[in-house]
Amino acid sequence: NAGVMQNPRHLVRRRGQEARLRCSPMKGHSHVYWYRQLPEEGLKFMVYLQKENIIDESGMPKERFSAEFPKEGPSILRIQQVVRGDSAAYFCASSGQLSEQFFGPGTRLTVL
Amino acid sequence: EDQVTQSPEALRLQEGESSSLNCSYTVSGLRGLFWYRQDPGKGPEFLFTLYSAGEEKEKERLKATLTKKESFLHITAPKPEDSATYLCAVQATGGYQKVTFGIGTKLQVIP
Repeated sequence: NAGVMQNPRHLVRRRGQEARLRCSPMKGHSHVYWYRQLPEEGLKFMVYLQKENIIDESGMPKERFSAEFPKEGPSILRIQQVVRGDSAAYFCASSGQLSEQFFGPGTRLTVL
Repeated sequence: EDQVTQSPEALRLQEGESSSLNCSYTVSGLRGLFWYRQDPGKGPEFLFTLYSAGEEKEKERLKATLTKKESFLHITAPKPEDSATYLCAVQATGGYQKVTFGIGTKLQVIP
């Protein structure tokens, strides 16, 4: 039973490029969450999605960031025109209805 | 707003030296308190969920307890492989509520 999968594991982008991070939830889970983690800091909530719906995006910056969870395929976190401050580890988690969140291995984004 | 404070920020133990990590929380109504373990370069690994004051859960050398204001993660006779950052998180009641994480306690167990 595969866990939460994220790819790529490492992503390097130059300032101004686009970053696309993918997350496949655990089998049977229909809730996906994205978090950002900076070194020596805690996990910061970004967005919560269900299939084809954004439920809570209160933690996501208003500009350059977007997320989707289509009917088919993985959830995608998209960062347009990346800046150095976007460098961080981005984690995806999934859950069933009102249950614990299980995390993927993360994508480490480095912006040059 | 929900808040989670973990202490200490870092803890260094000798192998076999038992100790406890603290998680203090403020939440309007608690649906669940979660403990995770995170190794460097990896995603958080789920350990426990606690739902109500007085509840306890155990897994190998770890035992989590819960009161109305805080939770403790007790580590009995730790081994070097227990070295990791331990994260505490809370979720409030009332339909959908996002999970709020603490910064974590970085535990180092020395052989």
